[in-house]
Amino acid sequence: DIQMTQSPSSLSASVGDRVTITCRASPSISSYLNWYQQKPGKAPKLLIYAASSLQSGVPSRFSGSGSGTDFSLTISSLQPEDFATYYCQQSYSTPITFGQGTRLEIK
Amino acid sequence: QVQLQQWGAGLLKPSETLSLTCAVYGGSFSDYYWSWIRQPPGKGLEWIGEINYSGSTHYNPSLKSRVTISVDTSKNQLSLKLSSVTAADTAVYYCARGPSDSGGNSYDDAFALWGQGTMVTVSS
Repeated sequence: DIQMTQSPSSLSASVGDRVTITCRASPSISSYLNWYQQKPGKAPKLLIYAASSLQSGVPSRFSGSGSGTDFSLTISSLQPEDFATYYCQQSYSTPITFGQGTRLEIK
Repeated sequence: QVQLQQWGAGLLKPSETLSLTCAVYGGSFSDYYWSWIRQPPGKGLEWIGEINYSGSTHYNPSLKSRVTISVDTSKNQLSLKLSSVTAADTAVYYCARGPSDSGGNSYDDAFALWGQGTMVTVSS
């Protein structure tokens, strides 16, 4: 199975901050990496697919980068609605696997 | 607009079989794999398995011995059965669209569409 490791597991930040969440894959997954946002009681929402492509309707303050084993999700200027849990997911091979999640909290 | 609507029993006793169904409304059912994903309370996401229009399946090895995913193409529905449940199977279960049946690395190959989720509790 491909292991997905996110860091940090939790993060406190303020509105307007720039934040970056990282995801490491083992072994390499090329660019088969997706990012999701999940709010309490809701299904995950796709933000970024293929490592760096912004899903339609997602604000441009979200961006993704990376390939191979190291990936990142950046929020350029945090908004109140961005406080949530974020997951990376590899679609390179089955079993499909997710990172353990990063909880983004208000400082 | 594609919508996924799921249903099934929410309370089970240990050793019973979990059974959920997900109906797909709109869009193309045949162009995708359709997945089941679960999330224990307060924990992360776990992919259970997937099925396509032809009935081809892939399962998570950690659950493979207990899982059956099936498809009813006449109704555009997929179903999940998980046998011999224990408290460790307590979770919100989601159906989701993806990846595409043709393979690739696009929007169609991510989980862009999800059902509303079904909370399943296993308790004696």
